[in-house]
Amino acid sequence: DTAVSQTPKYLVTQMGNDKSIKCEQNLGHDTMYWYKQDSKKFLKIMFSYNNKELIINETVPNRFSPKSPDKAHLNLHINSLELGDSAVYFCASSQRAKLVSSYEQYFGPGTRLTVT
Amino acid sequence: AQSVTQLDSHVSVSEGTPVLLRCNYSSSYSPSLFWYVQHPNKGLQLLLKYTSAATLVKGINGFEAEFKKSETSFHLTKPSAHMSDAAEYFCVVRVGGTYKYIFGTGTRLKVLA
Repeated sequence: DTAVSQTPKYLVTQMGNDKSIKCEQNLGHDTMYWYKQDSKKFLKIMFSYNNKELIINETVPNRFSPKSPDKAHLNLHINSLELGDSAVYFCASSQRAKLVSSYEQYFGPGTRLTVT
Repeated sequence: AQSVTQLDSHVSVSEGTPVLLRCNYSSSYSPSLFWYVQHPNKGLQLLLKYTSAATLVKGINGFEAEFKKSETSFHLTKPSAHMSDAAEYFCVVRVGGTYKYIFGTGTRLKVLA
């Protein structure tokens, strides 16, 4: 069973278009995240939701809008795509363990976005 | 403020020799620390985690890491490298009391035959 899944895996689009990436987790976690990985492999957090509430909103252009319809889903919508948006976007989830506060994250396979 | 520094951007080892990937952290709290591995064109997989229990943490695939508070380090080691270990490795610290994680810049491990 896939724990954290993302669709699509690859996304090629032109500048100015609007696109969405979807993420689903079947781990029963209460917190989900979006990360952006640039061409140098640097990972930066963009957003995080806990129980459908936005809790982390880093310095991200407002062309990026996350939406969490329920605890198991976190989608990312991007308006007016720019060349600099080309990257790999990772979804992740986490849950506080009952006995040990470990908070480890589980990552999806990534969505490679290419803007031409 | 929390931060994490991976001291080497690239490490090359021969197959069968030990692996050492270095990570130093800065944290005002008792930190939660993690190592993740990313194979080419794949997502990130948790190797191991430190959460204030044992200072020597064993992970998957023969990796382990030792938390040293006096040195603010959490270096990743493996006694004998395998070709399949070639990947990008990330050291991560969780910002205490929050859901925010700070990633190191990554260390690319190359394993030579």
